[in-house]
Amino acid sequence: EAGVTQSPTHLIKTRGQQATLRCSPISGHTSVYWYQQALGLGLQFLLWYDEGEERNRGNFPPRFSGRQFPNYSSELNVNALELEDSALYLCASSRDSGNQPQHFGDGTRLSIL
Amino acid sequence: ILNVEQSPQSLHVQEGDSTNFTCSFPSSNFYALHWYRWETAKSPEALFVMTLNGDEKKKGRISATLNTKEGYSYLYIKGSQPEDSATYLCASMTTDSWGKLQFGAGTQVVVTP
Repeated sequence: EAGVTQSPTHLIKTRGQQATLRCSPISGHTSVYWYQQALGLGLQFLLWYDEGEERNRGNFPPRFSGRQFPNYSSELNVNALELEDSALYLCASSRDSGNQPQHFGDGTRLSIL
Repeated sequence: ILNVEQSPQSLHVQEGDSTNFTCSFPSSNFYALHWYRWETAKSPEALFVMTLNGDEKKKGRISATLNTKEGYSYLYIKGSQPEDSATYLCASMTTDSWGKLQFGAGTQVVVTP
């Protein structure tokens, strides 16, 4: 069974640009989650998508957005990049939203210059 | 407790010794408690998902208990091995924030031969 895949592995942008991060869930998983780990901080919940809809959102500004496609893959878009957006972004997938474990990808390291 | 807290922040264990550490979480509106292991340069790996008060889960030498009334969970490692070196994360989900996992900062375990 292929795991959760994320692309790109690394992404370098400058302030004000936009970044797009991609995630393919494990086959059969309909829920996709996005997390941010900034330097020195723990994993922070960003977004949850299920069946193509945004179901829950963490305490992040609206310039963090995303979508889930019919094949359950997902994109995270970050507009008007700021220096503090530099972080590791992890995607996870699960069969269900509550009592099933989440399976994580290797992440995308986003660096803002 | 409003946030998920883990203690200690780090611990060093001799190979062969057993150890345990704590996760405290909000007890109101509790739905599920997740444990993950995160090794350096890898992605977080699911260990347990616990939902019932008094739950005990075991995976090899690692086990966990859950007390939802007082809002804490213990993770135990029996006969620690160097490959147990990792950061152990707990995360809680409540019924009023469905799908959102709130992570603790983790307990970093270093097992020395």
